[in-house]
Amino acid sequence: AQSVSQHNHHVILSEAASLELGCNYSYGGTVNLFWYVQYPGQHLQLLLKYFSGDPLVKGIKGFEAEFIKSKFSFNLRKPSVQWSDTAEYFCAVKSTGGFKTIFGAGTRLFVKA
Amino acid sequence: DSGVTQTPKHLITATGQRVTLRCSPRSGDLSVYWYQQSLDQGLQFLIQYYNGEERAKGNILERFSAQQFPDLHSELNLSSLELGDSALYFCASSVARGQSSGANVLTFGAGSRLTVL
Repeated sequence: AQSVSQHNHHVILSEAASLELGCNYSYGGTVNLFWYVQYPGQHLQLLLKYFSGDPLVKGIKGFEAEFIKSKFSFNLRKPSVQWSDTAEYFCAVKSTGGFKTIFGAGTRLFVKA
Repeated sequence: DSGVTQTPKHLITATGQRVTLRCSPRSGDLSVYWYQQSLDQGLQFLIQYYNGEERAKGNILERFSAQQFPDLHSELNLSSLELGDSALYFCASSVARGQSSGANVLTFGAGSRLTVL
């Protein structure tokens, strides 16, 4: 069965600090990978996705993620966070031949102004 | 507004009761997914429907059931409610007409918060 593991449940950073959120998945086949974000009081929305091709993908608001197939990882990065990045971040995986998208437990990021 | 509508937004009920949560997918989307988010847990996949048919099932309890209607809206029925069923229930939709079902981006609703007392 597929599973997704996010290494940090809570992260606190100061503005301008760099961010890296870890995500590992378990599945032996071909996958599509996603990061979703939930800002306070809002619905979950897509931050970025990887389907194929360049393993370094760029999303909205300066976020990027790197797919490392050998490590089954899809870590999220941002060079310099802002107070407005305070949110909960979810990593998700879907096998290309399957139907369900499996989410990690989420990481709550708080950025101090 | 994501285009996915969930009602009710909040619901408070007692143990043993039955509730129905409703979801209208984004216009043109054929798939509906239900997820449960409990305190300190991630999004637990419950069930998926595609154009009226069940496509995938997660760890959905036998006390829970769902269906997707011909107009593509979906309902999640939760019965014999227990305290532990208190959670945020999200609906998401995907797969607009004409697109491959292979690689789906989910569009989420705002969720229905269920509190069981």
